[in-house]
Amino acid sequence: NAGVTQTPKFRVLKTGQSMTLLCAQDMNHEYMYWYRQDPGMGLRLIHYSVGEGTTAKGEVPDGYNVSRLKKQNFLLGLESAAPSQTSVYFCASITSRGTDTEAFFGQGTRLTVV
Amino acid sequence: AQRVTQPEKLLSVFKGAPVELKCNYSYSGSPELFWYVQYSRQRLQLLLRHISRESIKGFTADLNKGETSFHLKKPFAQEEDSAMYYCAPRDSNYQLIWGAGTKLIIKP
Repeated sequence: NAGVTQTPKFRVLKTGQSMTLLCAQDMNHEYMYWYRQDPGMGLRLIHYSVGEGTTAKGEVPDGYNVSRLKKQNFLLGLESAAPSQTSVYFCASITSRGTDTEAFFGQGTRLTVV
Repeated sequence: AQRVTQPEKLLSVFKGAPVELKCNYSYSGSPELFWYVQYSRQRLQLLLRHISRESIKGFTADLNKGETSFHLKKPFAQEEDSAMYYCAPRDSNYQLIWGAGTKLIIKP
């Protein structure tokens, strides 16, 4: 049972380059989230999705785009990377079944923009 | 606006001492409350949830609706408890509202 898998685990980008982070979950969860984690700021929600084909903005969406073409995958794109996007990115998924649900996280992607 | 406050960014205690990580929330409804933990170089994982009233790794958390608090406690800290701890209520839209986290360091 893989749970939530993020690729890549590490990446260094030059300012202005683009990249896509992939989040894949095998638990048939409806809800998926992308967060960034910065020292002293906890987790900040970038974008989220409540189901296949739907996405919504979170707290810090600027500079990012997302897509949820398949239920199991949630992609996070950076069209033109900036040093301010240096961070650790986490993907998470939650089921919408039941009222007491646990969020499952990927192992994180450490992105450095130089 | 819904908000979670973890007032301590860093908490350092000696091994064997009691630990209390504070969490206060502002929420108009009845949130589901969770504590998540992130050990060094590992992914975030659920530590405990208030609805289960469980004790995990010796940690407990009591929901105090009057004080809108959900503090995490452990009577005797162990070195392996060193980690980042996040309090996270979940609202009715399945959004987790994250506190800034508390880094717990257990000194030998």
